[in-house]
Amino acid sequence: EAGVAQSPRYKIIEKRQSVAFWCNPISGHATLYWYQQILGQGPKLLIQFQNNGVVDDSQLPKDRFSAERLKGVDSTLKIQPAKLEDSAVYLCASSLPSSLTGELFFGEGSRLTVL
Amino acid sequence: SQQGEEDPQALSIQEGENATMNCSYKTSINNLQWYRQNSGRGLVHLILIRSNEREKHSGRLRVTLDTSKKSSSLLITASRAADTASYFCATDSWGKLQFGAGTQVVVTP
Repeated sequence: EAGVAQSPRYKIIEKRQSVAFWCNPISGHATLYWYQQILGQGPKLLIQFQNNGVVDDSQLPKDRFSAERLKGVDSTLKIQPAKLEDSAVYLCASSLPSSLTGELFFGEGSRLTVL
Repeated sequence: SQQGEEDPQALSIQEGENATMNCSYKTSINNLQWYRQNSGRGLVHLILIRSNEREKHSGRLRVTLDTSKKSSSLLITASRAADTASYFCATDSWGKLQFGAGTQVVVTP
């Protein structure tokens, strides 16, 4: 079974530029998550989708971050314009739909460096 | 904000020794999960313990949960060099999973 796919694995941009990350979850997983992990910290939830609807985006900086999940499968996370403090690993995860959060399956992450 | 806090922040042991790390949290939970993250990789789920469970085992892993103290512990027995990684607890409160800052474990041969 294929895992969660993410691209690109690494991205270096200058501040005020834009960047986009792509995620393809495990087939059949209706719930998709984007987490931000700053070096030395645990992952912080940015946004959670159930199919193509947003369940939780309370910690998404909406003035610069946006995410979509068209057709309830792939998802894209965009940052525009990027700030220095956005340097982090962006992790995508997926899970089976459940009334209680079960096991999350993570991709390898996209490491962003903002100069 | 992060719900769980792991202790210690870092742990260095030798192969064959046991590694114990703790997680404390603040609000009521539905379940608590432990994940492992190797350097530069994504997180891998290790074990889930529900709020009505007190102890759970999986291979060399033993997890305890004390909801009265709002704490959990993860024990790795007979550690191996391959266990070198960061370990995170994650608390599920009403469908929202929040991670702690992690414990970095180094196992030397």
